[in-house]
Amino acid sequence: SQQGEEDPQALSIQEGENATMNCSYKTSINNLQWYRQNSGRGLVHLILIRSNEREKHSGRLRVTLDTSKKSSSLLITASRAADTASYFCATGANSKLTFGKGITLSVRP
Amino acid sequence: DAGVIQSPRHEVTEMGQEVTLRCKPISGHDYLFWYRQTMMRGLELLIYFNNNVPIDDSGMPEDRFSAKMPNASFSTLKIQPSEPRDSAVYFCASSSYRDRGNTGELFFGEGSRLTVL
Repeated sequence: SQQGEEDPQALSIQEGENATMNCSYKTSINNLQWYRQNSGRGLVHLILIRSNEREKHSGRLRVTLDTSKKSSSLLITASRAADTASYFCATGANSKLTFGKGITLSVRP
Repeated sequence: DAGVIQSPRHEVTEMGQEVTLRCKPISGHDYLFWYRQTMMRGLELLIYFNNNVPIDDSGMPEDRFSAKMPNASFSTLKIQPSEPRDSAVYFCASSSYRDRGNTGELFFGEGSRLTVL
């Protein structure tokens, strides 16, 4: 069963703009991770945030986690055409990592 | 490091045939995962191993699917007999990190795209 649900399903923005993607989940988690997948390729890990953390940064990425609302957001600042990809949130619980169905991000040059 | 290596990258077969997908994890990683990705169901965890031992195979869809890890550098996922509904991209991922008892960062291979006619 799917744990994380990403929102929106698709996002199209202009290069230079910020992209915000959301993830909601249903049960308690120990950590939440975001991954990127380019077309026809494997998934690449972006960032991990633990359940006792509220915000984390990595380069142009900012992730927040609100365990009371069971939600997370991924912000990509100053987007580039190379950021065009699918983005997945994955929740870690019961020793498993469960992925949502992903968000398709298109960044127009 | 070469990363996680999967073969074949593409496989087209006919219903009823046996399919074997192969995976070489990153050296030193002690966790190995098999996922299946389809448009309808997204990414599903099929099975995972720790130190070559299967820990959880509750995601394996049915008895037609089996997975083995005979040593730390090799794993196979076998489907026998294959059916059209098995068509998907199968990913292998490995990890050396557990985040306080939970799965840490996964390193994915490029996937094996299976088409069953």
